[in-house]
Amino acid sequence: DAEITQSPRHKITETGRQVTLACHQTWNHNNMFWYRQDLGHGLRLIHYSYGVQDTNKGEVSDGYSVSRSNTEDLPLTLESAASSQTSVYFCASSEVAVTDTQYFGPGTRLTVL
Amino acid sequence: EDQVTQSPEALRLQEGESSSLNCSYTVSGLRGLFWYRQDPGKGPEFLFTLYSAGEEKEKERLKATLTKKESFLHITAPKPEDSATYLCALHKGAGGTSYGKLTFGQGTILTVHP
Repeated sequence: DAEITQSPRHKITETGRQVTLACHQTWNHNNMFWYRQDLGHGLRLIHYSYGVQDTNKGEVSDGYSVSRSNTEDLPLTLESAASSQTSVYFCASSEVAVTDTQYFGPGTRLTVL
Repeated sequence: EDQVTQSPEALRLQEGESSSLNCSYTVSGLRGLFWYRQDPGKGPEFLFTLYSAGEEKEKERLKATLTKKESFLHITAPKPEDSATYLCALHKGAGGTSYGKLTFGQGTILTVHP
């Protein structure tokens, strides 16, 4: 079955380190998204991509970057991790139209000490 | 500014006690309203998409409805396994920088006691 996976599922890192969270989908979806979920803020969009070589900033993009070299993967990089980036991160994808239903991965819980 | 407000924040029901969750919204040009279920430690799981006022969709004990200002998720005779956080989100229509981006509500935490 097609699916969307994230790795690692849990990560502990130190302030200032570079961290990369992986997202892989086997649906051949054009669109991919990264969100963070925090108590009191709900789900907030970090970055998104509407196709290979396309990336765009969401509402909370500072300190994060993404790159899209193929259809299946959209890795999220924290350039220099900060304690404020401790959160649960979700990747999502949607088929063709930008308003198609988004399907979410299982999440990565990141702790920055 | 687009807004999505869910109520109540938390709802406790006895098994078999039917109720409704509310999602009210203000947006110009609704392109789709989505309901998701989220279990602890997991990603949101898609339930329904509604596109126009008057539309209804059902799945097992859940029925979602849509008006021009709000959506309801009706839960009929709930079971303990329906306990989860229910999220609504919307897509705005074309035009402006919000196009294609989901705006989420804060969610309703539903607990169903046996």
